[in-house]
Amino acid sequence: GQQVMQIPQYQHVQEGEDFTTYCNSSTTLSNIQWYKQRPGGHPVFLIQLVKSGEVKKQKRLTFQFGEAKKNSSLHITATQTTDVGTYFCAVLYGGSQGNLIFGKGTKLSVKP
Amino acid sequence: DSGVTQTPKHLITATGQRVTLRCSPRSGDLSVYWYQQSLDQGLQFLIQYYNGEERAKGNILERFSAQQFPDLHSELNLSSLELGDSALYFCASSVGLNGRPDTQYFGPGTRLTVL
Repeated sequence: GQQVMQIPQYQHVQEGEDFTTYCNSSTTLSNIQWYKQRPGGHPVFLIQLVKSGEVKKQKRLTFQFGEAKKNSSLHITATQTTDVGTYFCAVLYGGSQGNLIFGKGTKLSVKP
Repeated sequence: DSGVTQTPKHLITATGQRVTLRCSPRSGDLSVYWYQQSLDQGLQFLIQYYNGEERAKGNILERFSAQQFPDLHSELNLSSLELGDSALYFCASSVGLNGRPDTQYFGPGTRLTVL
């Protein structure tokens, strides 16, 4: 089955520092989605990438999909305490209404 | 607030027991998904229903079953509970129309503790 490896597992940063999490697959991905889960909360959809080399931005967040569609990254510029949480990449498996296969997530903590 | 509701929020029960978790999808969403989140396994897909019919199965144990009713709400039944079943159970819903990949909206989850 399809698997996505996500690194790092944990990241501790000082407020204002940048943060990046990476998602890798051994097979070509048709799409990749990113979710954020705040402590005690539920996963919340952030974005979906489907095109090779796609780059999307949401304020301080930059999402990239690799040219070979085997990797993706989420970069946060100048982290804030509100960025705390676990960031998951996920692949939609089994068609456009399929289920999500999640990476293990990167837990971000931000020291003020 | 995603528009997906789940009850109960917390559930504490004993090994060997049976519980039912309930999920109401967002208005208009036809697809319902169940996921299990545990510390060691992360977020794992269990099962998907679309408009009342089972659509896909993931890592769902035989002791677990689910259904989606005509009003589109869904229930996840967990029986012969074991300590290892303690986890957060999330329901998600999506529109479920053919075409572009769907966005899934997650409910607040049910935290199950098996003692």
